[in-house]
Amino acid sequence: SQTIHQWPATLVQPVGSPLSLECTVEGTSNPNLYWYRQAAGRGLQLLFYSVGIGQISSEVPQNLSASRPQDRQFILSSKKLLLSDSGFYLCAWSVAAPGEQYFGPGTRLTVT
Amino acid sequence: GENVEQHPSTLSVQEGDSAVIKCTYSDSASNYFPWYKQELGKGPQLIIDIRSNVGEKKDQRIAVTLNKTAKHFSLHITETQPEDSAVYFCAAPGTGGTSYGKLTFGQGTILTVHP
Repeated sequence: SQTIHQWPATLVQPVGSPLSLECTVEGTSNPNLYWYRQAAGRGLQLLFYSVGIGQISSEVPQNLSASRPQDRQFILSSKKLLLSDSGFYLCAWSVAAPGEQYFGPGTRLTVT
Repeated sequence: GENVEQHPSTLSVQEGDSAVIKCTYSDSASNYFPWYKQELGKGPQLIIDIRSNVGEKKDQRIAVTLNKTAKHFSLHITETQPEDSAVYFCAAPGTGGTSYGKLTFGQGTILTVHP
């Protein structure tokens, strides 16, 4: 069966510090991968979308970037965090689009 | 791109009652409509979905109905239980250009089931 992992689960970082969040998927090959941000427990905003290694689509201009160095690994990064980057970050995968998307457990990021 | 509206934003019911959450979408070519349940501090969980070639789908106490003409779909939960309390999200995919296949989510409904 397929499993999706995210780490860390929680993170507190000062403004101006770098960020790296990691997502890995097990049990499937060549998945579509997604990064979402959720503010205040409501509304999911798509940040990045990837259909393959090195193929990243950015959905919203922002302080963040994404990379996909391996087939089942998706990384969300920032060089300098802003207060507005605080939120709940969710990684998801799907086999095809449109189709079932499955979410990871999320990372709670607080920028202080 | 796709626009999804979800109502109500909050819903409070007594245990055993039914709950209905409704979503409307804008892209008439959309053909896949999932519903997610999110418990506090966790990632959303896919609970049921429907494709545009059917009008209704059931899975035990939950069902989803789709009205393509009116461009709306609804989640029905019968015999609600306290463990159904969560935030529920609907979604619909874009169908054109760079929006193809990407889900747009509704703003969520906080469901509270009182024992």
